[in-house]
Amino acid sequence: RKEVEQDPGPFNVPEGATVAFNCTYSNSASQSFFWYRQDCRKEPKLLMSVYSSGNEDGRFTAQLNRASQYISLLIRDSKLSDSATYLCVVNSGNQFYFGTGTSLTVIP
Amino acid sequence: EPEVTQTPSHQVTQMGQEVILRCVPISNHLYFYWYRQILGQKVEFLVSFYNNEISEKSEIFDDQFSVERPDGSNFTLKIRSTKLEDSAMYFCASRGQGKAQYFGPGTRLTVT
Repeated sequence: RKEVEQDPGPFNVPEGATVAFNCTYSNSASQSFFWYRQDCRKEPKLLMSVYSSGNEDGRFTAQLNRASQYISLLIRDSKLSDSATYLCVVNSGNQFYFGTGTSLTVIP
Repeated sequence: EPEVTQTPSHQVTQMGQEVILRCVPISNHLYFYWYRQILGQKVEFLVSFYNNEISEKSEIFDDQFSVERPDGSNFTLKIRSTKLEDSAMYFCASRGQGKAQYFGPGTRLTVT
C-alpha cells in the first residue's frame, strides 16, 4: 500500500473556479502534513502546512482529518498562476513521503 | 530571503563514473535531506541527515550512495558508480526546528 495517495488528475478548471484536492495516507502515526506545489521541472515549493484545526492562507484552505487519514486542499477563485502540480506530503519520523501529485491547469 | 542552493544544475556522466552533487542548505537549518525525482514520477526520499550523521535512509539509498557534510555549509551526495537508472532530478532540502522543508532548485543528473 502506498504511503500517500492522491488523485493524479488532471484537473482543468476555468479562472475563478473553486477546486479541491484530496489525499490519503496510510500511517496513522504520521505527525506532520503539508501541501507543496511543483511547477514543471522545478523544485517543490511549500504552499502550506496542514493542521488538525484546519488553516487558511488567502485563497487556500487546508484540512486534516486524522480519524480518516485524509488531507484536503481547497483553492478558491483560481488564477492562471495556480496551474501546477500539487503535492501532498506526510511526515513520519525522519521520513517525508510524497504523493504523486495532482495536476491543475487553470484555463482563461 | 535565505534559500537552498545546489550545484551543478545539470551533470552529465558516463555509466560507472562517480558523481558528487553539492548543496548549501539554509544557514541556520539543522536537518538535511536528499530526494530524487525520476522524470514523470513522484519525489522519492533518499536520506535524512542530522548532527553529522544519517538519521534515516530509504531502500533506494544503497551502498553506492553516501552523504557528507565536509564543512559548516556544504552537504554532498556522492554516487559511486552511476547506473543508467540513476538519471533523475536530485533535490536537496533543509529545515530548521519546524517540520517544513525548503528545497533547492535541483541537479539534473543524466547518465549515458
